[in-house]
Amino acid sequence: KQEVTQIPAALSVPEGENLVLNCSFTDSAIYNLQWFRQDPGKGLTSLLLIQSSQREQTSGRLNASLDKSSGRSTLYIAASQPGDSATYLCAVKGGSYIPTFGRGTSLIVHP
Amino acid sequence: KAGVTQTPRYLIKTRGQQVTLSCSPISGHRSVSWYQQTPGQGLQFLFEYFSETQRNKGNFPGRFSGRQFSNSRSEMNVSTLELGDSALYLCASSLAQGPAYEQYFGPGTRLTVT
Repeated sequence: KQEVTQIPAALSVPEGENLVLNCSFTDSAIYNLQWFRQDPGKGLTSLLLIQSSQREQTSGRLNASLDKSSGRSTLYIAASQPGDSATYLCAVKGGSYIPTFGRGTSLIVHP
Repeated sequence: KAGVTQTPRYLIKTRGQQVTLSCSPISGHRSVSWYQQTPGQGLQFLFEYFSETQRNKGNFPGRFSGRQFSNSRSEMNVSTLELGDSALYLCASSLAQGPAYEQYFGPGTRLTVT
């Protein structure tokens, strides 16, 4: 059974810092990994989707990498801003096509 | 292009009642998935519909059911509500079924069972 772990569970940083969020998964036989952000009480917004054949994806200040063999993905956020404050979730999709989500990293960026 | 819409956004029900939630996917999307999110269990997959057929089902009791219409809109129903069913119910749509397709989520329906 796939298990997804996100570390740290919570993070508080000053504005302008570069930061790294981690996602690890136990079964490396995945099709893709997707990063989302969720604002309090709201739905999920897709940030980046990495297919299993890819090593990384970039969108603006966000960069996500995938290392299938070690079961890890990182989300790098450059020059963090208060508007980046949210919960970040990763989800892996395996052979069953059912995504497994991590519990998320709650990020606060203070001015 | 309109996003995924869910109605109602908030709902309060009493134990033992039943509830129906609705999801309209992004235009052109044919796959709809439902999730339950609670502080204790996180985000858990309920089921996925594609072409009006349930393609995948998560580990939830039979009180949770769903359906998809020919226009890809989907509904989920929970019968005999329990206090533990209080959660944010999220719907996601994608172009088709399969791992290559990105999921887009709606804002969710907040269900409170009293």
